[in-house]
Amino acid sequence: GENVEQHPSTLSVQEGDSAVIKCTYSDSASNYFPWYKQELGKRPQLIIDIRSNVGEKKDQRIAVTLNKTAKHFSLHITETQPEDSAVYFCAATSGTYKYIFGTGTRLKVLA
Amino acid sequence: ETGVTQTPRHLVMGMTNKKSLKCEQHLGHNAMYWYKQSAKKPLELMFVYNFKEQTENNSVPSRFSPECPNSSHLFLHLHTLQPEDSALYLCASSPSGGGREKLFFGSGTQLSVL
Repeated sequence: GENVEQHPSTLSVQEGDSAVIKCTYSDSASNYFPWYKQELGKRPQLIIDIRSNVGEKKDQRIAVTLNKTAKHFSLHITETQPEDSAVYFCAATSGTYKYIFGTGTRLKVLA
Repeated sequence: ETGVTQTPRHLVMGMTNKKSLKCEQHLGHNAMYWYKQSAKKPLELMFVYNFKEQTENNSVPSRFSPECPNSSHLFLHLHTLQPEDSALYLCASSPSGGGREKLFFGSGTQLSVL
């Protein structure tokens, strides 16, 4: 069945450095790729998303890139801050409500 | 943010108990979802309701029984659960359930089955 692989599972960076999280999807029909952030004890929240007709999208310090040929997409966080520490989930869908989620990346930003 | 509210936040139950999880959304959305979140596993879609009609039952054991009396409320009835059912159960809603739209999650119910 369809799946989304996410790497790394944990990531530690120094405050101010950049962080990159990568996801690979299997369903070539996937056309929507959201990223969710889940802080400890809190609900997942959408932070950025990208559709298959776009290669890159930015929102302040976060950006997502998509390579449809290779079927992978990445989350980039620049100038990391302690409040960026959380679990980040990628997901993919082919346009239905069936979002296939990755296993999550625990990001720790060290002050 | 109180768009999607789940109760209780924590639940401990024995394998022979019957309990229910409740979810309420105040966003005027038409689709509601139950997800299971286990450690080191992807979020697993359990059930989807669109305009109160169940449109997805993702091979979930019958010991989990959903109920959607209206577009704003969603329940998950639990009975004779197993210890491996211990997890965080997340409710979510979205405007139409048609895909490619933002999911609004509740804070979840942390369930422990003894």
